[in-house]
Amino acid sequence: QVQLQESGPGLVKPSEILSLTCNVSGDLIRYKYWSWIRQSPGKGLEWIGQFYNGGVISYNPSFKSRATISGDTSKNQFSLRLTSVTAADTAVYFCVREQLGFWPDVWGRGSHVTVSS
Amino acid sequence: DIVMTQSPDSLAVSLGERATIHCKSSESLLFRPNNKYSLSWYQQKPGQPPSLLIYWATTRHSGVPDRFTGSGSGTDFTLTISSLQAEDVAVYYCHQYSSSPSTFGQGTKLELK
Repeated sequence: QVQLQESGPGLVKPSEILSLTCNVSGDLIRYKYWSWIRQSPGKGLEWIGQFYNGGVISYNPSFKSRATISGDTSKNQFSLRLTSVTAADTAVYFCVREQLGFWPDVWGRGSHVTVSS
Repeated sequence: DIVMTQSPDSLAVSLGERATIHCKSSESLLFRPNNKYSLSWYQQKPGQPPSLLIYWATTRHSGVPDRFTGSGSGTDFTLTISSLQAEDVAVYYCHQYSSSPSTFGQGTKLELK
């Protein structure tokens, strides 16, 4: 059974960096597609970006180069880094596996992040 | 970006009755290599992540009850629950993966009447 678990701080100060890690069990991140999606009351579900096979990465242009996704195949985990956060980045962040790079079929339980001083 | 618009925003249906949720995309979601539509549906219950129901617009995900049916083509799609059960109360989302960035509908809240 594939399981994803997000981890990271629940509170980040404005202008600082939001960092989250997704630990994957039951599957190998190598040769599969993995993404970050967030959910907020104001913007609903937003796709942030996708990681594939140690280097092929795509991002939602809406995040204007603030987002960085990376993977560590030795630890079987991948990460999200979001810089210059504001209150608008307050959301639940999900890591997901995307079948064929298309539809999310496995979701983590989500990590609630609040941006506040 | 492709805009996904769901209707209605909320829906109240009696147990055993049919529930129908609509999703319209701002562009065709046809994926020419397999002649299928790049549309998936999700169910989200409070405090849980979304759960995959349907992909390629009509293919039911493993373990999803057959009362859930996806249909549609082009830019217009429908999720139908043939006989509503109490456990189907949730928010439902459509999602397009035809072009990047993938985008979601705003959600339809399904309640019991």
